[in-house]
Parts: sequence; structure tokens; C-alpha cells
Amino acid sequence: KQEVTQIPAALSVPEGENLVLNCSFTDSAIYNLQWFRQDPGKGLTSLLLIQSSQREQTSGRLNASLDKSSGRSTLYIAASQPGDSATYLCAVDNAGGTSYGKLTFGQGTILTVHP
Amino acid sequence: EAQVTQNPRYLITVTGKKLTVTCSQNMNHEYMSWYRQDPGLGLRQIYYSMNVEVTDKGDVPEGYKVSRKEKRNFPLILESPSPNQTSLYFCASSPTDYFEYSADTQYFGPGTRLTVL
Repeated sequence: KQEVTQIPAALSVPEGENLVLNCSFTDSAIYNLQWFRQDPGKGLTSLLLIQSSQREQTSGRLNASLDKSSGRSTLYIAASQPGDSATYLCAVDNAGGTSYGKLTFGQGTILTVHP
Repeated sequence: EAQVTQNPRYLITVTGKKLTVTCSQNMNHEYMSWYRQDPGLGLRQIYYSMNVEVTDKGDVPEGYKVSRKEKRNFPLILESPSPNQTSLYFCASSPTDYFEYSADTQYFGPGTRLTVL
């Protein structure tokens, strides 16, 4: 059974810092890994999707890497801003099995960027 | 605007009173899914649908029903809600055709906060 762990559970940084969020998963047989952002009381917004054959994806100040063999992904946020404050969720889509498209989520990292 | 919509956004009901939470997407996506989010347990899949008339159970299907009669709609039905179904529910859709696998982003609706008294 796939398990996804995110470290740290919470992070508070001053504006402008570069930061790294970590995600690890137990079953390396994945189709893809996705990073989401969730704002309080709102839905999930997809930030980056990394296919299993890829090593990284970039979007603006965000960079996500994937090391499938070691079961790890990192989300790098450059020059953090107060507007980046949210909960960041890592989710993996497993290959095979009988539950197609099921995303297994980590518990999330609550990020606070203070001015 | 491409989106996944859910209704209602908030619902307070009583034990045993049947309810339906609607989900609709306007992106012509093949795949749709329901999740519930609970503190300490994270997001867990309830049901999913790979295409019209094709549905299957996720991790926590007990107490729920779904149907997929049209491509754009995937309602979640609670025939006899109980307090342990109090949760935040999310509908998601994806253009992925899982019969010819090409994994793609999943798009989530805004959520429905359900309280069962």
C-alpha cells in the first residue's frame, strides 16, 4: 500500500527566503507525482505534475524534482512571498493495481511566509 | 472558464436524510473522482469513474453511491448520512484515458463542507 509522507508538517519563513518542501513515498511504481496548493476553505490547485519518466518540472518560482528510485520529491520555492502561504500537498498516482487514477496524498506542509 | 463545480458548497443535515452533492465539469474529461478530506487522515478517494457508466470503489466507499450517466456529471449520493460522514468533499476530473494510460493533471472542485448532525 502506497504511503506518502511530507516533511516538515509546518514551516514559517520570512519573505524572500528560498525553501524546500519534502515528499517521500513507499512504492516507486508510480505514473506521476503532483504537487498541489490548498488555501484555507478552498479547493486544491495543481502546481506541478511530474511524469514518472521525468526528473523535474518548473513553473515560475517553483521547481519540483522527482527521484523515483529513492521515493522522493522536493518542491523548491524561490524568493518566497506572503502570497505563497498555504498548505502544500504532494500526491502520487500509482501504476497498475485496480484503482485507476487514485491519488495518494501526503498530510501536507503548512507554509507561512511573513512579511 | 474551464472548471469543476460542486453544489452545495456547504450543507448541514441530519442523520438519515438522503442527500446528493453534485459535481460537474466543462472540460470534456474522461475521468472523475470523489475524495473526502479529514483532519489527520488527509484526502482519501471514495469513488472514481473512468468513463460514462464506468464507476468503481476507492478506499472509503462505504455509505456512498455514485452514478455517471453523462460525461460531465458525477453526483455523490449519501442514502442515509451518518455523523462520521461529516467531512470536506472534493470532486476531481482529469483528461486521462485510463484505458490507454497517459496520466494527466487532476483538477479539483472548490469543495463541499458537509455536517451531519
